[in-house]
Amino acid sequence: RKEVEQDPGPFNVPEGATVAFNCTYSNSASQSFFWYRQDCRKEPKLLMSVYSSGNEDGRFTAQLNRASQYISLLIRDSKLSDSATYLCAVILLIYNQGGKLIFGQGTELSVKP
Amino acid sequence: DAGITQSPRYKITETGRQVTLMCHQTWSHSYMFWYRQDLGHGLRLIYYSAAADITDKGEVPDGYVVSRSKTENFPLTLESATRSQTSVYFCASRSGTAIGNTIYFGEGSWLTVV
Repeated sequence: RKEVEQDPGPFNVPEGATVAFNCTYSNSASQSFFWYRQDCRKEPKLLMSVYSSGNEDGRFTAQLNRASQYISLLIRDSKLSDSATYLCAVILLIYNQGGKLIFGQGTELSVKP
Repeated sequence: DAGITQSPRYKITETGRQVTLMCHQTWSHSYMFWYRQDLGHGLRLIYYSAAADITDKGEVPDGYVVSRSKTENFPLTLESATRSQTSVYFCASRSGTAIGNTIYFGEGSWLTVV
């Protein structure tokens, strides 16, 4: 089983729609959580960190549910420019090995006019 | 400019050849990572390093070797390249594991093994 799993996608939505991505992680030792955006196989760019209390940045809201071991990303009022691949990432702390940064396989979002 | 740089950016090599992808960061970040990205698999961790002279395997380490003699460099070597290692390789660095510590990615190295 993969350590971090995401919805397979792709998601095709009209402009203005609300879209939600979910991501589950298997290891309860996971410490920090993130959402990244990636365009056309360029390097991933940090979209937002995910805090236990949930956090919002404009049209983007991220939530963490430690009990169920999943994180989510909600995009409201989606724009054409939101079209990209969204990756969740988790830092897994390993005793004596530091922190591994593991990514989900990514979910492609296509926003249509 | 300070940053994280990868070289070469594009490489074509033959099966069986040894290839080294270089990664250099100028921030003295303790953590560095190597990923490969293939369609349908997202970013998969190959190796990572928590500090100089400390390296550990990730999800897909077979066929790869890393070293970290200096904090700023983290080369990835394919000892005998195979076609299945055709991929885009991303290097990344981070100053620690705290959630506020940003991860920086290089622009990627596109490797084709023929």
